[in-house]
Order: sequence, then structure tokens, then C-alpha cells
Amino acid sequence: EAQVTQNPRYLITVTGKKLTVTCSQNMNHEYMSWYRQDPGLGLRQIYYSMNVEVTDKGDVPEGYKVSRKEKRNFPLILESPSPNQTSLYFCASSRVRGAGASEQYFGPGTRLTVT
Amino acid sequence: SQQGEEDPQALSIQEGENATMNCSYKTSINNLQWYRQNSGRGLVHLILIRSNEREKHSGRLRVTLDTSKKSSSLLITASRAADTASYFCATADLSGAGSYQLTFGKGTKLSVIP
Repeated sequence: EAQVTQNPRYLITVTGKKLTVTCSQNMNHEYMSWYRQDPGLGLRQIYYSMNVEVTDKGDVPEGYKVSRKEKRNFPLILESPSPNQTSLYFCASSRVRGAGASEQYFGPGTRLTVT
Repeated sequence: SQQGEEDPQALSIQEGENATMNCSYKTSINNLQWYRQNSGRGLVHLILIRSNEREKHSGRLRVTLDTSKKSSSLLITASRAADTASYFCATADLSGAGSYQLTFGKGTKLSVIP
């Protein structure tokens, strides 16, 4: 089954404790992206990747890191989480590099709480 | 980056009625997409309409695009309780780095009452 998986689905952590949210897709997609969703602010893009070893900042990259060492994986790293990073996070992938050129497939989401 | 804006923010209708949601955006685009999100879940792609298309259908969905007004509408006909969800439009800028970023509006929350 074609899908994007994220782990963990739920995470409660404390300020400053490094964490990684994994994202994996099995569709051989070129493009992958991370978004955060907050009430009243909608979805905002954090980082995106057009291919292996090619990543770029989205609209809200501060406090996050990403890497794309393999085509299928695109982990999101919070080196020192803070309470303002409490949010619902989504990973997405699409077949072509242009973000708007084809549909994006979304993962189920990771609900992160930083206390 | 530019952002689509959906209107209305919330919409409540009876089962069987039609639901119309609108989206406005700011810059030139190659295409526009609509997504649905059930509460707290991942977004699901509904339809993509290209800038040279004016109307597109998919089952009970009808999407229109007016590039001169920079607006799009999503019509759901004969709504069902299962259509209850938030609906988002998404666009990518035509040029430069923006073409690699898909920007979402804040969504329209649709409630269909059985």
C-alpha cells in the first residue's frame, strides 16, 4: 500500500531534550516536506527536500533540522525543543519536484507537546 | 510566501444540500489543489486544477478556477455527513523557490448535519 508513515504519532517531551520524528514513504517520490499545523494559523511549511541531499527552508524553519540521506526517509530533528514547538506535524511527499505540480501524500501526523 | 485564503471559515449545512467554499490567492500559479482533512488527521488530496482549466469535476466535487480574479471554488453536491471535515486550497508560486513550496490556506470547516 502506498503510504507515508510517521513515528511517533504522539510525543510529550520536556524543553531542551533533543528529539527526532521519522518520516518514510514507499512511493519512490522525489519531493518530501514537513509542515506544522496550529489553530488559527493553518499549515505552514518547515522544510522541504527536492531529492537526496537537497533540502531547503520553508516558511518556519527556526528550531528545526532535516536531512535526506535516502530517498525514502526525511526525518525532522528538534535539537532543543521549546514549548512554542508544541504542534501537530505532518510529513508529505509527492512524485515530482515542483510542490504544486502533483498531489501530495500526507502522513497521519505527529502530535508533539513540549512542556 | 503567498497564501490562499478560504471563505467562509466555517459552514454548516443539512445533509443533501450543496456546499460551496471559495479560495483566493495572491500571485500567478501553475495550478491549484484542494485537500480535505478529517479532524486531527492527515490531509487527503481531492483535486488539482491547472491554470489553463476553468472547471474540473470528480464525483460529487466540482472545482472552478478564475485566474483573472485569482480565485477558485469547491462545490460539494448532495452533501453527506461523511463530508464533515476541513477543506484547504493550496498553491505554489509560478517562479523561483516558490515553485517548490506548496502554501495552504487556513481552511473552511464544513459540518454536515444528518
